Amino acid sequence: AQRVTQPEKLLSVFKGAPVELKCNYSYSGSPELFWYVQYSRQRLQLLLRHISRESIKGFTADLNKGETSFHLKKPFAQEEDSAMYYCALIGYGQNFVFGPGTRLSVLP
Amino acid sequence: EAQVTQNPRYLITVTGKKLTVTCSQNMNHEYMSWYRQDPGLGLRQIYYSMNVEVTDKGDVPEGYKVSRKEKRNFPLILESPSPNQTSLYFCASSLFGGTGLNYEQYFGPGTRLTVT
Repeated sequence: AQRVTQPEKLLSVFKGAPVELKCNYSYSGSPELFWYVQYSRQRLQLLLRHISRESIKGFTADLNKGETSFHLKKPFAQEEDSAMYYCALIGYGQNFVFGPGTRLSVLP
Repeated sequence: EAQVTQNPRYLITVTGKKLTVTCSQNMNHEYMSWYRQDPGLGLRQIYYSMNVEVTDKGDVPEGYKVSRKEKRNFPLILESPSPNQTSLYFCASSLFGGTGLNYEQYFGPGTRLTVT
C-alpha cells in the first residue's frame, strides 16, 4: 500500500531555531517524493522534490530509503516559514498520495 | 498569466442537488487532478487524468464524476451531493512523465463546498 505519514499535526519553534518536519512513507520500489507548502491565503505550491536535490528557501530534504523517510529540515527557522507543509509521493498508477500535513508555527 | 482557475470559489447547496465545479488551466498540461482537503486528513486525490479522455480513480472517488473532453478543462461533478462531501476542493495540473521534474503540480485557489 502507498501511504505517507506526518506524525506531527503542529510544530512550534522559535525564530532562529532548527526545524525538522517528519515524513515517512510506505512504497515498494523507488518513490518520487515532494514537499508542498501552503502559506496563509496562498495556493498550495511545490517547495522541493527529492530528485532535484535542491535547497529552496533554506530547506533541504534527504531521502532515506532504509528508514523510508523524507524529513524536511532548515537550520534556522524564520517567521515567514510559518505555513502548512505536506509531504507527497507519486503512486504506482501515477496518482498522488499526500500526507495529513504539519502546521509549522515559528514564534518571534 | 499561467494559472489554474476554479469556479465557483464558494458554494452552499442542499443534499441531492447536482452540481459541477469547473477547473481550467492555460499551461497545456496533460495531467489534471482533483483533491479534497479535510482537517487532519490532508489532501486526498479524488480523480486524475493523464490526458484527454483518460481518467482514473484516486483514493476517494465515491460520489464524484469527472470528464476530460478538452485538454484545458477538468470539471468535477457531484450527481447527488451529501453532507459528507462538505469540504475544500482543489484542482491541480502538471506536465507529465520524464524524470519527475515535470511532476510539479500547479494548484487552483480552491472551492469551499457546503452541503446541507
